[in-house]
Amino acid sequence: GAVVSQHPSWVICKSGTSVKIECRSLDFQATTMFWYRQFPKQSLMLMATSNEGSKATYEQGVEKDKFLINHASLTLSTLTVTSAHPEDSSFYICSASLAGGVGGEQYFGPGTRLTVT
Amino acid sequence: KQEVTQIPAALSVPEGENLVLNCSFTDSAIYNLQWFRQDPGKGLTSLLLIQSSQREQTSGRLNASLDKSSGRSTLYIAASQPGDSATYLCAVRLTAGNNRKLIWGLGTSLAVNP
Repeated sequence: GAVVSQHPSWVICKSGTSVKIECRSLDFQATTMFWYRQFPKQSLMLMATSNEGSKATYEQGVEKDKFLINHASLTLSTLTVTSAHPEDSSFYICSASLAGGVGGEQYFGPGTRLTVT
Repeated sequence: KQEVTQIPAALSVPEGENLVLNCSFTDSAIYNLQWFRQDPGKGLTSLLLIQSSQREQTSGRLNASLDKSSGRSTLYIAASQPGDSATYLCAVRLTAGNNRKLIWGLGTSLAVNP
């Protein structure tokens, strides 16, 4: 089946530093990738939608200059949390849709736990 | 505005029981509905995807139904096992095409006790 990986699986960083999270589709091409964040005991919140080769579309309330998304190829999207602060600590999950797929199914990565100290 | 509600929020059952998780949505104009499983601190595993033209999907001990007109979907788990313990999330997709945004419920936290 379609597999999506994320790296790293967890990261601890100091306040003010930047952190990059990678999302890869391992065995399929993904024209569209999605980035979510999830707080404890809450559901997923969509942050942005990225299409390969174009700028990401951010959801209302998500700062595009703080959460930089690059979807450089059909198998890789990156999320960079710039100048991270403790309130950015969260679980970040990416998902990918098959290129040309009409079913609309999204495949999710295992998530990245970010802790900002 | 589409809203997705899942009932119950939490469920604890003894092993072997058949159980039903409910998902309701306010706007029946959906493209598809997807059920996911999330283990603590982990990502999501897609369980079943039902297209708007379909009434149900089955995979092993899982059966999901969809009634668009009433805005409801149910996930039926037969002969539950401790390994089924997880949070089950329901999500609807509103449109076909490139905007494949999913609207999420808050989930049902399931505990199956040995």
